[in-house]
Amino acid sequence: LAKTTQPISMDSYEGQEVNITCSHNNIATNDYITWYQQFPSQGPRFIIQGYKTKVTNEVASLFIPADRKSSTLSLPRVSLSDTAVYYCLVGGRRTGKLIFGQGTTLQVKP
Amino acid sequence: DVKVTQSSRYLVKRTGEKVFLECVQDMDHENMFWYRQDPGLGLRLIYFSYDVKMKEKGDIPEGYSVSREKKERFSLILESASTNQTSMYLCASSPGSVSGNTIYFGEGSWLTVV
Repeated sequence: LAKTTQPISMDSYEGQEVNITCSHNNIATNDYITWYQQFPSQGPRFIIQGYKTKVTNEVASLFIPADRKSSTLSLPRVSLSDTAVYYCLVGGRRTGKLIFGQGTTLQVKP
Repeated sequence: DVKVTQSSRYLVKRTGEKVFLECVQDMDHENMFWYRQDPGLGLRLIYFSYDVKMKEKGDIPEGYSVSREKKERFSLILESASTNQTSMYLCASSPGSVSGNTIYFGEGSWLTVV
């Protein structure tokens, strides 16, 4: 099972771009990379998912290099409401044991 | 939208009580999960189920059991609650057979054991 490693915390200011990198050296061929966002007292919610190269949606971008051993979540122009914990998750077909890492606590300051 | 509903948002139980945490999902998902979340420890998988009556242990199954009699319902059982089981419990579900499936979480159940 692919284990993930992320920075424990990051600080940013409103309007800046934030990049959070996740390492997953043992990622399997069938594994996808998914990022979740969690606010206090709520369950995590899906942000973005990718397999390789770059994926973009209305919330974020996900960059995955060719070796897939890491991935970077990019949040453009963050606001105070983006203050949350961000989790990188690696898993796929019927792996069942979808393991979350420690998560990165992002603090956005005015 | 997918909805994962946890029956109790806040519970207070006494040490030694049997505790049931119920979870229902409305999207016919095959996989269901129970996690607990504690400060500094992130989300830890307790049990998961990939089909009715099927279950597999996660990373921290000790002191817990689960039941999945129907596809939409996954129950977490604390046979004899202890204070170290005070935590937030999160139920989740996902479609089963597609690579890279996405997990959908409930809002969480805050359990305090006194």
